[in-house]
Amino acid sequence: DVKVTQSSRYLVKRTGEKVFLECVQDMDHENMFWYRQDPGLGLRLIYFSYDVKMKEKGDIPEGYSVSREKKERFSLILESASTNQTSMYLCASSWGQGARAKNIQYFGAGTRLSVL
Amino acid sequence: KQEVTQIPAALSVPEGENLVLNCSFTDSAIYNLQWFRQDPGKGLTSLLLIQSSQREQTSGRLNASLDKSSGRSTLYIAASQPGDSATYLCALGGSQGNLIFGKGTKLSVKP
Repeated sequence: DVKVTQSSRYLVKRTGEKVFLECVQDMDHENMFWYRQDPGLGLRLIYFSYDVKMKEKGDIPEGYSVSREKKERFSLILESASTNQTSMYLCASSWGQGARAKNIQYFGAGTRLSVL
Repeated sequence: KQEVTQIPAALSVPEGENLVLNCSFTDSAIYNLQWFRQDPGKGLTSLLLIQSSQREQTSGRLNASLDKSSGRSTLYIAASQPGDSATYLCALGGSQGNLIFGKGTKLSVKP
């Protein structure tokens, strides 16, 4: 059974804090993604990664960075959290390199982050 | 830039009814289309994946169709049940494996 695990379901942080959101998948997937979901705006892609130490910007990368030191783990970093980063964060993974565009993305349960 | 629209934004039906959810997109150069289900406060569950070369996919009571030329996909749910109540999201696969999402249709099936 496929599994994408996000380390926290709920997180409360203060403005200016450095925040780490962790995502682990156990399916040996090459591709991993971070999205945020906001009411009225839907899901938007922040960053994605095709391989270890590789990263690509998505549609809204400002204020975020990522780290992928191991294949199974993809971390989203908020360097200095701000209130407009309060959101639901969703991690996903998928199989494939040459055919990466063709495969199902599997999602974690999400982390609801509140920045006060 | 690809835009994905889902209509209606919300739908309420009585149990047992067959229903259709709609998804439209502006650029027909897609790799695939996925339908997801999301329960309140939860992550996304993939329901069906249609590759760009396919016209439809079926899983149990669900049937999804894809018409690239008209920029449309539909998700058909047969004999709806209260357990089908959720938000349904349509997402288009881009060339880099990323997904472009619609804003979803919130479905409520009344007993």
